[in-house]
Amino acid sequence: AQSVAQPEDQVNVAEGNPLTVKCTYSVSGNPYLFWYVQYPNRGLQFLLKYITGDNLVKGSYGFEAEFNKSQTSFHLKKPSALVSDSALYFCAVRDTNTDKLIFGTGTRLQVFP
Amino acid sequence: NAGVTQTPKFRVLKTGQSMTLLCAQDMNHEYMYWYRQDPGMGLRLIHYSVGEGTTAKGEVPDGYNVSRLKKQNFLLGLESAAPSQTSVYFCASDQGGTQYFGPGTRLTVL
Repeated sequence: AQSVAQPEDQVNVAEGNPLTVKCTYSVSGNPYLFWYVQYPNRGLQFLLKYITGDNLVKGSYGFEAEFNKSQTSFHLKKPSALVSDSALYFCAVRDTNTDKLIFGTGTRLQVFP
Repeated sequence: NAGVTQTPKFRVLKTGQSMTLLCAQDMNHEYMYWYRQDPGMGLRLIHYSVGEGTTAKGEVPDGYNVSRLKKQNFLLGLESAAPSQTSVYFCASDQGGTQYFGPGTRLTVL
């Protein structure tokens, strides 16, 4: 079965430090990968996606993600965290059989001042 | 351009009551989805539609029905609400592979 995993329920980082939110996937064929962010009491907002091309994808709010085919990972990164980045982050992969998105369980990012 | 909107934002039901959640999008997207979000479980797909007049079951369709009479609207119905349907419900629309989400409806079933 195709799936996506976010191994960390929560990531804590100090403001100004780099951050990484981890995601691994399992799909047959070429993966379409996505990151979404959810602020409290809001819907999910699209951050970035990988379909093909450069393994380093740049997205909104200074976030980027690195696609690593050999490790089947798509980790979300930011060089310098802001307190306002504190939110719930979801990784998703497009099921190559059904075209529907499969979401991870989410990682809560807490950035401390 | 309002994007994806959902009504109502909050609702409290008693067991056995019925209600309809409305999702509207003004982006002329073909695909629309209904998800539920529960703690520790991410988003689970309830039903979806690939175009006006079409609907299909997702991962957790039991207890829900949907209709897509107009391209811009996707309705989610609960015929007889149960406490297990207490959740936050999100609608999304999709064109070209990226999904855009509404703000959500928080439903409590007592």
